[in-house]
Amino acid sequence: NAGVTQTPKFRILKIGQSMTLQCTQDMNHNYMYWYRQDPGMGLKLIYYSVGAGITDKGEVPNGYNVSRSTTEDFPLRLELAAPSQTSVYFCASSQIQGARFGQPQHFGDGTRLSIL
Amino acid sequence: AQTVTQSQPEMSVQEAETVTLSCTYDTSESDYYLFWYKQPPSRQMILVIRQEAYKQQNATENRFSVNFQKAAKSFSLKISDSQLGDAAMYFCAYRSAPTNFGNEKLTFGTGTRLTIIP
Repeated sequence: NAGVTQTPKFRILKIGQSMTLQCTQDMNHNYMYWYRQDPGMGLKLIYYSVGAGITDKGEVPNGYNVSRSTTEDFPLRLELAAPSQTSVYFCASSQIQGARFGQPQHFGDGTRLSIL
Repeated sequence: AQTVTQSQPEMSVQEAETVTLSCTYDTSESDYYLFWYKQPPSRQMILVIRQEAYKQQNATENRFSVNFQKAAKSFSLKISDSQLGDAAMYFCAYRSAPTNFGNEKLTFGTGTRLTIIP
């Protein structure tokens, strides 16, 4: 199983450029998330989605946009890249809560993004 | 808002020995989930173990076990018989119990880097 797939794995952008980080999952999960991980830090939530057409802001949404037109895909858009957005970005997905037990999030391998 | 604190930036252990990684959290909720994730140099985030707050019994997964102290808001990870492949960053994470809208967001600690000494 592919699980959660992120592309690209590495990218260098110039200040002011825009790009889209792609994320797709093949597990039919309802919930999807975007996190960023700065050096020496834990992951911080940027945006999340509970299903197609439904998205909401996380802890650090400024400078990013998302859309969720299908269950499988959850792209993250950077419109005007800034050096502060240099980070490793992780996409994750999880199944909807059907039982009390917390379903774990499945993570992609990350995208290392540098803004110069 | 919930916070998760990992007070040990780095830990090291001799191969085959036991090590305990600390995690504390702050919440006003009574129902929640706690997780330990492992991040090796490959950057993957791998679930190690999970615990439901309403369960008093500590979770165990092979060589990994937790010491969950709800009143103290403590959630430590014990790794027994440490192996070279255990070397990684370990993150403690908190998630609220689901609401009607859904509340699956994870709050992560800053991580503990574990080194295994051969």
